[in-house]
Amino acid sequence: NAGVTQTPKFQVLKTGQSMTLQCAQDMNHEYMSWYRQDPGMGLRLIHYSVGAGITDQGEVPNGYNVSRSTTEDFPLRLLSAAPSQTSVYFCAAHGGSSYNEQFFGPGTRLTVL
Amino acid sequence: AQSVTQLGSHVSVSEGALVLLRCNYSSSVPPYLFWYVQYPNQGLQLLLKYTSAATLVKGINGFEAEFKKSETSFHLTKPSAHMSDAAEYFCAVSQFGNEKLTFGTGTRLTIIP
Repeated sequence: NAGVTQTPKFQVLKTGQSMTLQCAQDMNHEYMSWYRQDPGMGLRLIHYSVGAGITDQGEVPNGYNVSRSTTEDFPLRLLSAAPSQTSVYFCAAHGGSSYNEQFFGPGTRLTVL
Repeated sequence: AQSVTQLGSHVSVSEGALVLLRCNYSSSVPPYLFWYVQYPNQGLQLLLKYTSAATLVKGINGFEAEFKKSETSFHLTKPSAHMSDAAEYFCAVSQFGNEKLTFGTGTRLTIIP
């Protein structure tokens, strides 16, 4: 039982490049979320999903797209990376008997030059 | 709207001393409150949660927090600090159960031998 996994762990992009951050969970939780963590700002919610096929925006959605075709996967897409998107990205999942606890992945550290 | 304020971005205590990390919240409805811990280069892990049951909540690793509605506070305490408690601690609030968490900016706890 791996919980929440994220790939890659580290990534460097040039401004304007696109990429997808992968997130997968094996707990069959219906809810999944993406956060970004920046120094002195805590974690901020980017997008979240309440089930396959259903997504909604969080606090800082601009520049990011998501989709949820399966319960297990919740990829985050950067269509045209900007230096302001340099951050550490965390994916989380919760639901069922673990509704009141979000399980976080190990994070992806992204640098945009 | 909801928000969280964590007083003190850095807190240092001696090993064996009391740990007190402060959290004040703002919420237009009865809130759900959480404390998460982040060890270096890892994701977040739930310490404890308040979900409108008992106002004194006990969590893992000897931590506890008390919900005080009159003070809009949810401070985290531990009677005796251990070296392994060194980490960053985040308070979070939600008006939607465990949905759409709003995190504070975090408090980095250092333990002095």
